[in-house]
Amino acid sequence: DQQVKQNSPSLSVQEGRISILNCDYTNSMFDYFLWYKKYPAEGPTFLISISSIKDKNEDGRFTVFLNKSANLLSLHIVPSQPGDSAVYFCAANTYSSASKIIFGSGTRLSIRP
Amino acid sequence: EAGVAQSPRYKIIEKRQSVAFWCNPISGHATLYWYQQILGQGPKLLIQFQNNGVVDDSQLPKDRFSAERLKGVDSTLKIQPAKLEDSAVYLCASSPGGDRVTDTQYFGPGTRLTVL
Repeated sequence: DQQVKQNSPSLSVQEGRISILNCDYTNSMFDYFLWYKKYPAEGPTFLISISSIKDKNEDGRFTVFLNKSANLLSLHIVPSQPGDSAVYFCAANTYSSASKIIFGSGTRLSIRP
Repeated sequence: EAGVAQSPRYKIIEKRQSVAFWCNPISGHATLYWYQQILGQGPKLLIQFQNNGVVDDSQLPKDRFSAERLKGVDSTLKIQPAKLEDSAVYLCASSPGGDRVTDTQYFGPGTRLTVL
C-alpha cells in the first residue's frame, strides 16, 4: 500500500531552468510533508517541509506546494543548478505518529549544462 | 558536529549467513531509527528507539531481524539468517526528539548489503 507515490522515476532539466518534482499521496490524514535529497553513497538529507494547513513554503531556490484538493505535493527548484542533481524523496507523517515517516520511491533529477 | 556514523559501508554475504550493522548517532540525540531501502524504493522504517527503549518495531521481520541500543547510544541491527530479499541499503538515522513532526531525522551514509 503505497501511501506516497512518485510516478516519475527520473527527470532531466537544463541548468538555469525550473525543476518541478511531483508526489501524489493517498492518505488524507497526513499532517506534514517533507522533501529529502540524496546524493550517491550518502544518506538522505532534509530539504524542506510544509504543514498540511499551508499551501506553500519557500526556502531560497526551493518552494514546496501542497494541493490538498488534488492530494498533490510538488517541489519547485529555480533556477536549477548542477549541484541539484540527486534523488529527491517526498515523504509524509502525522502528528499522532510523527516519527513514522512514509517515503515515496524517489525521483532522480539530472541537471544538464 | 559529527554526523551519524555507520559501519561497514558495504557487506556481501551468502544466503543463510548472519550479518550485523553498527550505528553511532549524533551526540545527544535521543531517538534512533533503522530503515531498509530496497533498490528503486524509498526508505522503510524497521525500528525506532527512544533512548534505549523500542518505540516502534511493527515493520521489523522479527523472525530474522533483531536490533538493540545499549546504554541509549550506539545501536546494532542483525540479520540471521539472511535471505536474498534482504539485499538493500540499511540506513540509520537519529533525531533530538522524535515525537514531533518538525523533528528532523539525520541519516547516516548507510550499509549496502548484498546477499548472494
